[in-house]
Amino acid sequence: GAVVSQHPSRVICKSGTSVKIECRSLDFQATTMFWYRQFPKKSLMLMATSNEGSKATYEQGVEKDKFLINHASLTLSTLTVTSAHPEDSSFYICSARDHGNSPLHFGNGTRLTVT
Amino acid sequence: EDQVTQSPEALRLQEGESSSLNCSYTVSGLRGLFWYRQDPGKGPEFLFTLYSAGEEKEKERLKATLTKKESFLHITAPKPEDSATYLCAAPLISGNTPLVFGKGTRLSVIA
Repeated sequence: GAVVSQHPSRVICKSGTSVKIECRSLDFQATTMFWYRQFPKKSLMLMATSNEGSKATYEQGVEKDKFLINHASLTLSTLTVTSAHPEDSSFYICSARDHGNSPLHFGNGTRLTVT
Repeated sequence: EDQVTQSPEALRLQEGESSSLNCSYTVSGLRGLFWYRQDPGKGPEFLFTLYSAGEEKEKERLKATLTKKESFLHITAPKPEDSATYLCAAPLISGNTPLVFGKGTRLSVIA
């Protein structure tokens, strides 16, 4: 089945620094990937849609300059949290589908802690 | 406004005590209703997709059903390893679009 790999699984950084999270589709090509954010005991909230070779589409209320998304190839999307602050601490999860009617497959998430 | 609503928010069962989780949706032109399982600190794991009213799908102790307005995830004789958060979701429109998730049901099965 389709596998989505996310790295790192856990990262701790200091306030003001930037953190890059990678999302890879291991056995399929994904022209589109989706980035979600999840707070403790809350559901997944869509942050942005990452499009290969073009600009990402951000959901309302998500700062595009803070959450930089790059989808440079058909198997890799990256999310960079710039100038991170403690309120950016959260669980970030990426997802993709291997074809139009298949379910979304999710990575195992990245737990970001900003101190 | 399109949305997906799950109930109960949390459910505690004794091992072997069957129950059902509910997911109601108001997404117009539904293009599939998805159920996922999420363990703590992990990404959601796909369980089922249902496309039309009356459809049912089963996997081990889980059975998902769909009506025109809601879906149920039935858990028969659950075991402690079934403890997880169960999420339902629906795409807003057809094509390669993201899923909108409900808030989930946190299931605890006690031995």
